[in-house]
Amino acid sequence: EIVLTQSPGTLSLSPGERATLSCRASQTISNSYLAWYQQKPGQAPRLLIYGASRRATGIPDRFSGRGSGTDFSLSISRLEPEDFAVYYCQQYGGSPMFTFGQGTKLEIK
Amino acid sequence: QVQLEQSGPEVKKPGSSVKVSCKSSGGTFNTHAINWVRQAPGQGLEWMGGIIPIFDATNYTQKFRGRVTFTADKSTDTAYLELTSLTSEDTAIYYCARGGGYSYGPDFDYWGQGTLVTVSS
Repeated sequence: EIVLTQSPGTLSLSPGERATLSCRASQTISNSYLAWYQQKPGQAPRLLIYGASRRATGIPDRFSGRGSGTDFSLSISRLEPEDFAVYYCQQYGGSPMFTFGQGTKLEIK
Repeated sequence: QVQLEQSGPEVKKPGSSVKVSCKSSGGTFNTHAINWVRQAPGQGLEWMGGIIPIFDATNYTQKFRGRVTFTADKSTDTAYLELTSLTSEDTAIYYCARGGGYSYGPDFDYWGQGTLVTVSS
């Protein structure tokens, strides 16, 4: 099983600041099949980034993803109030086919 | 615009079964996988498996194999999850999520609103 470890568990920042979230895999993720999701309370997750660095439809360009192999990151360049949420990374291709990280909570400082 | 509409909340007794539906609209139901992801209260996301309707192909994680069944009704563009032998540990929100074309992945671009299943005596 490919285990995804996200850090930090909680990130406290202010609106306007830059956020960087990390996702480390226990094995190489092939084809950069790494995605990021945002989940707000009471809502379903929303796809932000796929293929490690491609923004999903309608996602603002302040969100960016990078990485390959086992180390990936999600950056939010200038935090807006609506960006405070929980973020999950997800890989495809291991066994089981999909696994998620445990999540990073981005909270207002 | 693809929409996935799930059935309403359920309260079940331990040992019973639950069936959750996920109706797709605005897209090509047959050729895209419908995956099922659950989230226990206050916890993270867990992939349970998926179905590709056009192939009638299913994939179940080891954890749920033998206890879960995915089906798809191509005449109504609706996917179903049935989970049997429920215990309190099955209390969770169950989401359907669309996967790739002719493939379970590599990511989930549309999600249902979730169905809360509560297992309690």
